[in-house]
Amino acid sequence: NAGVMQNPRHLVRRRGQEARLRCSPMKGHSHVYWYRQLPEEGLKFMVYLQKENIIDESGMPKERFSAEFPKEGPSILRIQQVVRGDSAAYFCASGTGLNTEAFFGQGTRLTVV
Amino acid sequence: GNSVTQMEGPVTLSEEAFLTINCTYTATGYPSLFWYVQYPGEGLQLLLKATKADDKGSNKGFEATYRKETTSFHLEKGSVQVSDSAVYFCALSWGQKLVFGQGTRLTINP
Repeated sequence: NAGVMQNPRHLVRRRGQEARLRCSPMKGHSHVYWYRQLPEEGLKFMVYLQKENIIDESGMPKERFSAEFPKEGPSILRIQQVVRGDSAAYFCASGTGLNTEAFFGQGTRLTVV
Repeated sequence: GNSVTQMEGPVTLSEEAFLTINCTYTATGYPSLFWYVQYPGEGLQLLLKATKADDKGSNKGFEATYRKETTSFHLEKGSVQVSDSAVYFCALSWGQKLVFGQGTRLTINP
């Protein structure tokens, strides 16, 4: 059973470009979480999704950021018109729902130059 | 709301020392509690968990007991190794929320 797969592992974008980060949850998991981590800092919650639904996006910036988890295919975190401050590691986790643990991917390290 | 507070780091110990990393939580119900570990350049890995009061989670020599009366879930290990150097995160899950503490960086010197 493959774990949570994130790609790409490393992504370099110029200011103003778009970044698309992909997350394939573990088999059987219908819940996906996205977190952002700055160097030497903790995890900042961004968004929580179930298949085709956004459950909680209270941690997402109101502009430029969006997330989806379609019926088929991976969850996508999309950052439009990236700025240097978007440089961070973005982690995806998946789980089965209520009161359960989540399993993390290896992360995508975004660098905006 | 639900929250997790961890002992501030960094924590530096010598090999074979006893480890405690404190974690307390605030929750409106009866959450499940977890410890995750993050090694450099990697994602978080689940270390151990406890789903109800007085449960003890254990793995790789680490232990934590779910204490409802003190709302705590402290991580302990009797004898740490250099390979235990990492960042440790305490977390709770309640309903559809998964909430993390700020993380504690642990460094073990030989």
